[in-house]
Amino acid sequence: AQRVTQPEKLLSVFKGAPVELKCNYSYSGSPELFWYVQYSRQRLQLLLRHISRESIKGFTADLNKGETSFHLKKPFAQEEDSAMYYCAPTYSGGGADGLTFGKGTHLIIQP
Amino acid sequence: KAGVTQTPRYLIKTRGQQVTLSCSPISGHRSVSWYQQTPGQGLQFLFEYFSETQRNKGNFPGRFSGRQFSNSRSEMNVSTLELGDSALYLCASSWGQGLSTGELFFGEGSRLTVL
Repeated sequence: AQRVTQPEKLLSVFKGAPVELKCNYSYSGSPELFWYVQYSRQRLQLLLRHISRESIKGFTADLNKGETSFHLKKPFAQEEDSAMYYCAPTYSGGGADGLTFGKGTHLIIQP
Repeated sequence: KAGVTQTPRYLIKTRGQQVTLSCSPISGHRSVSWYQQTPGQGLQFLFEYFSETQRNKGNFPGRFSGRQFSNSRSEMNVSTLELGDSALYLCASSWGQGLSTGELFFGEGSRLTVL
């Protein structure tokens, strides 16, 4: 079965430090990958998708097909980045595996 | 335009009862998907509906069911409730079928507590 792994349930870094939230997937095809974010008391929302190759709120994510990873990175963390982050690879073949989220990483930025 | 609306926001049930949750998608969106969110398991996919048809289904027992109406509004039902069904149930809508077609827009969720 297709799977997605976010190895860190909790990640705490200091303001201004670099941040990397890890995401590994096991998909046999060519997945499309997304990162979703949930700030405190807000709805879950899309942060970025890999095909757009854009930087959102200073975050970038590169798809590494060789390592089957899609890590989310930001060079200088800010306190407002504290949130729950979910990696969501999707398989173009659809099916139940086509709508799978990782278990999430709770990012805490300390002042 | 209005976002995804879920009702009720909070509800308490007892074991053995059933519950129906409702989701109104963003106007123009034809796909509605449902997720169960718990602290231990994160977001788990329940099912997806597109044009009134169930297109994808997650690994949940048959007690969990859903449907979509012609106006794209969706309901999910859980019968014979168990303590482990206590969770936040999230609904998301998108214009096309499946996560890969674009951004999912989430509702605020329905918090179910089973006693």
